[in-house]
Amino acid sequence: KAGVTQTPRYLIKTRGQQVTLSCSPISGHRSVSWYQQTPGQGLQFLFEYFSETQRNKGNFPGRFSGRQFSNSRSEMNVSTLELGDSALYLCASSFNRGNLNTGELFFGEGSRLTVL
Amino acid sequence: GQNIDQPTEMTATEGAIVQINCTYQTSGFNGLFWYQQHAGEAPTFLSYNVLDGLEEKGRFSSFLSRSKGYSYLLLKELQMKDSASYLCAVSSGSARQLTFGSGTQLTVLP
Repeated sequence: KAGVTQTPRYLIKTRGQQVTLSCSPISGHRSVSWYQQTPGQGLQFLFEYFSETQRNKGNFPGRFSGRQFSNSRSEMNVSTLELGDSALYLCASSFNRGNLNTGELFFGEGSRLTVL
Repeated sequence: GQNIDQPTEMTATEGAIVQINCTYQTSGFNGLFWYQQHAGEAPTFLSYNVLDGLEEKGRFSSFLSRSKGYSYLLLKELQMKDSASYLCAVSSGSARQLTFGSGTQLTVLP
């Protein structure tokens, strides 16, 4: 079955702009998590959505937001972009169904954002 | 909060064995994952430990001691393609949220 798909793969924005990233999880996966990856900070958890509800949230400012649709596809938005937002944004989906769930994440290739 | 520590960098020679350590502090521990990430690519699953002991999968093995908050990933018969970042991640809480360490960049030399 198809893996996790993220679009766009690469994008360049300028400070003050906003950006929307999209993620389509593996079919049947209802949990979608977003991570920011930078060389200095590693993988930092942004938020997790399950059945269209934000279930967990990391320590990021309110400029970072997300949502999940009824088909489990998810989007994340970053408003008023700053230089420090340049990073690889990874989406991961999980089966996440009761005791069958180990929490294993399946990652997409990521969206690499450059803010100039 | 949670704290996960692993070495930043390691170097080893092709054909050798390397052990990458990970220590963690967390509440509501559910399990520990190891992921491999090649430069410019997505992290991919290597192993999962929920009980104490060693899990072996081909050239890769992973060990867990829950009482010590300690895990290691053992890579045998190293190959050049094993040069990558190795991420330790702890699952915790009812939602089984994964928290990642900063990763260990392994370089395999000929």
